[in-house]
Formats: sequence, structure tokens, C-alpha cells
Amino acid sequence: KQEVTQIPAALSVPEGENLVLNCSFTDSAIYNLQWFRQDPGKGLTSLLLIQSSQREQTSGRLNASLDKSSGRSTLYIAASQPGDSATYLCAAYLQGAQKLVFGQGTRLTINP
Amino acid sequence: EAGVAQSPRYKIIEKRQSVAFWCNPISGHATLYWYQQILGQGPKLLIQFQNNGVVDDSQLPKDRFSAERLKGVDSTLKIQPAKLEDSAVYLCASSGLRGGSSYNEQFFGPGTRLTVL
Repeated sequence: KQEVTQIPAALSVPEGENLVLNCSFTDSAIYNLQWFRQDPGKGLTSLLLIQSSQREQTSGRLNASLDKSSGRSTLYIAASQPGDSATYLCAAYLQGAQKLVFGQGTRLTINP
Repeated sequence: EAGVAQSPRYKIIEKRQSVAFWCNPISGHATLYWYQQILGQGPKLLIQFQNNGVVDDSQLPKDRFSAERLKGVDSTLKIQPAKLEDSAVYLCASSGLRGGSSYNEQFFGPGTRLTVL
């Protein structure tokens, strides 16, 4: 079964800390991996897209890495702010599944 | 560039009633997706269209769910009759073809929150 897993399910940290969110996938044969942000009651906002040929992507305080051989991706958030509080979802376009497969998300809370 | 539009944003119905959702993708995007997101879970793909043709509907409960994209632009998703377990957020997404790659970034609409009582 093609799966994407995110651990932990929830994370609470004080403002200003650097933090890492983890994502693992069962199939090393992927086309791309996408990180999304979801605010309560809202749709998904695309944060970063990493193609299979890439190792990482950066946007502002966000950096996402991809290691296909170990089946892992990380999202690094620098100098966290209360406005970063949201659920973060990773999704891998797995060759076996031929579709975007989502993890269950990590609910992040940044405490002022 | 306008994003993916969806309506309605919220819908409450009784079980066994029918409901329809509408989606207008980003202009020029050939691929349209409908996802179901149950509370606390990641979205699950229901159906994928490429222009007006179905690419993948393997996880669409076809006995009660139907979807169409007649002119290759906007799309409707219908549930008839609804069950309690259909309570979820229904998300529409679209992606375009750039540089020949089929595996492009997906952009999501705000979703429709369905409550079945």
C-alpha cells in the first residue's frame, strides 16, 4: 500500500524557535513532493514543491528537503511566529499510486 | 491570477438527500481533482479529470457519487443519496501543464464543508 506518514500529529513550540516537521513515504519512486499549509476551516495553500530530481527548495523562512533513498522529507521553519500556527500536510506523487498521496498532517502551534 | 473557486462554502443536509458542489479551476489548467477530507485526515482523491476525460475515479463511491466536467473547464460533484459518513470537506484542485511535465503543482480551492444529519 502506498502511504505517506507524518510524525508527530501535533507539535507546540514557543515563538522564535527553529523547528522541523517530518514526512515519510513508502515508495522511493516519486515524481514530486509538495508541502501544504491548512488553516482551520480553509483549503490548502501550497508552500513548496520539490521535483524528484531536486534535493531541496526554499521559500522565505521555509526550507524543504527530499531524500528519496530513505523515503523522507523534512520541512524546516526558521524563527517561528504565531502566524505559522496551522496544520502542515505533505503529499507525495507516488509512481506506484499515480496520484498525490497525503499524510495526515502535523498540527503546529506557536506560542507567543 | 484568480485561484480555484468553489461553491457553496458550507452545506447542511439530511441523510438520503442529494447535494451538488461546483468548482471552477485556475484558467488554463487542464487537470482538475476532487478530494474528500474527513476531519483529522489528509485529503483523499475521489476523481481526476484531464480536460473533460476521467483519468482516475478508482476511489469514487460510484453508487452514490458522480462528477462531470462537460466542457473541460468547471466541474460538479454530486452525492445522491447522502450518508452520515459523507460529512467532510470536499476540496477541488487544479494543475496545469508546463514544460511537458504531467506532475505539476496542485492548487486548491477553499473547499465545501458538508454536514449530513
